[in-house]
Amino acid sequence: EPEVTQTPSHQVTQMGQEVILRCVPISNHLYFYWYRQILGQKVEFLVSFYNNEISEKSEIFDDQFSVERPDGSNFTLKIRSTKLEDSAMYFCASSGTAVPLHFGNGTRLTVT
Amino acid sequence: SQQGEEDPQALSIQEGENATMNCSYKTSINNLQWYRQNSGRGLVHLILIRSNEREKHSGRLRVTLDTSKKSSSLLITASRAADTASYFCAQGSNFGNEKLTFGTGTRLTIIP
Repeated sequence: EPEVTQTPSHQVTQMGQEVILRCVPISNHLYFYWYRQILGQKVEFLVSFYNNEISEKSEIFDDQFSVERPDGSNFTLKIRSTKLEDSAMYFCASSGTAVPLHFGNGTRLTVT
Repeated sequence: SQQGEEDPQALSIQEGENATMNCSYKTSINNLQWYRQNSGRGLVHLILIRSNEREKHSGRLRVTLDTSKKSSSLLITASRAADTASYFCAQGSNFGNEKLTFGTGTRLTIIP
């Protein structure tokens, strides 16, 4: 069964550094998402992406965040200058014309 | 209570028993979905119930929805050790471009 893959599984970075989290969504899906889960807290919506542009974003998704689908298969989340509070599990998801969302196994981002 | 809260927060039962988890929400929904998360892994979609449905079954899962009380329940019958996981309800706002609002989750432990 096709699945969403995310790399790396764990990323450690220093505060102020840029990170890029990578995702390969399911190939025939049209909608792409990033969610995050701070340890012990709810899974939170960050951004949705459709037709090569952001369709919706949350308050969390400020100017430090950006998303890109550079080559028609990868979907990336960039955090420009990481903060300690960005430490979380970041989940990529994709969906077709209907739900449900298919989630990857996540990238654990640790900012030191 | 906060939007999208599951109850109980944690539940331990003997293998073979039934497990019931409840979810409350505040705003109107298009659909309500339940996801499972094994430790350190991504979320896996279990079942979706639309706002005009009251009950839905899938294998050992039974979901009910009461829009007048803004609540849903997930019943897992004849539990197995492999059902040990966290279970989340998620409010769906739209089909396609799905921004999900997750609850706090119920940590289910099945004792062999």
